Amino acid sequence: EAGVVQSPRYKIIEKKQPVAFWCNPISGHNTLYWYRQNLGQGPELLIRYENEEAVDDSQLPKDRFSAERLKGVDSTLKIQPAELGDSAVYLCASSPRTGAGANVLTFGAGSRLTVL
Amino acid sequence: EDQVTQSPEALRLQEGESSSLNCSYTVSGLRGLFWYRQDPGKGPEFLFTLYSAGEEKEKERLKATLTKKESFLHITAPKPEDSATYLCAVQAYGQNFVFGPGTRLSVLP
Repeated sequence: EAGVVQSPRYKIIEKKQPVAFWCNPISGHNTLYWYRQNLGQGPELLIRYENEEAVDDSQLPKDRFSAERLKGVDSTLKIQPAELGDSAVYLCASSPRTGAGANVLTFGAGSRLTVL
Repeated sequence: EDQVTQSPEALRLQEGESSSLNCSYTVSGLRGLFWYRQDPGKGPEFLFTLYSAGEEKEKERLKATLTKKESFLHITAPKPEDSATYLCAVQAYGQNFVFGPGTRLSVLP
């Protein structure tokens, strides 16, 4: 079974340009997370979805960041316009909503963003 | 506010030299404490979940333990392939996961 798939793996853009990241979670995982990980730090939550509903977006900088999860499967995270401080790795993770694995996150490989 | 700190920030061991990584946490109503391993260029990979003080979990050369204020990840006779960043995370009931900054472990042959 494929794990959590993210694309692109790497993206280099100039400041003020837009960028989008895509995530395909594990089949059947209702909960989807977007995290941001700065160099030498642990992941920090940006947004959490239960199916297609964003249940926690309190840490998402809404002036420039947006996310969607249409049909409760794939998700897209967008930044417009990007700033220098947005350079980081953007991680997508998923978990089942209930059951033994409900509190275990499966992460994708991440999308590394460099803003010049 | 839930907080997680990890020490040391980086650790260099010789192959076969056992040691421990520390995760200290402050959380209201611990649902679980989690250990993940992260290799360069990859996402974190789940290792263990601990739920209550006194609990221990083992996997190959790794053993995780939990007290009311901290968790230890003991590495016995490490090998170079154990080199990675080890992340600790906590989750309170009804709350999101909070990750620590990680410990970068290097095991030299």
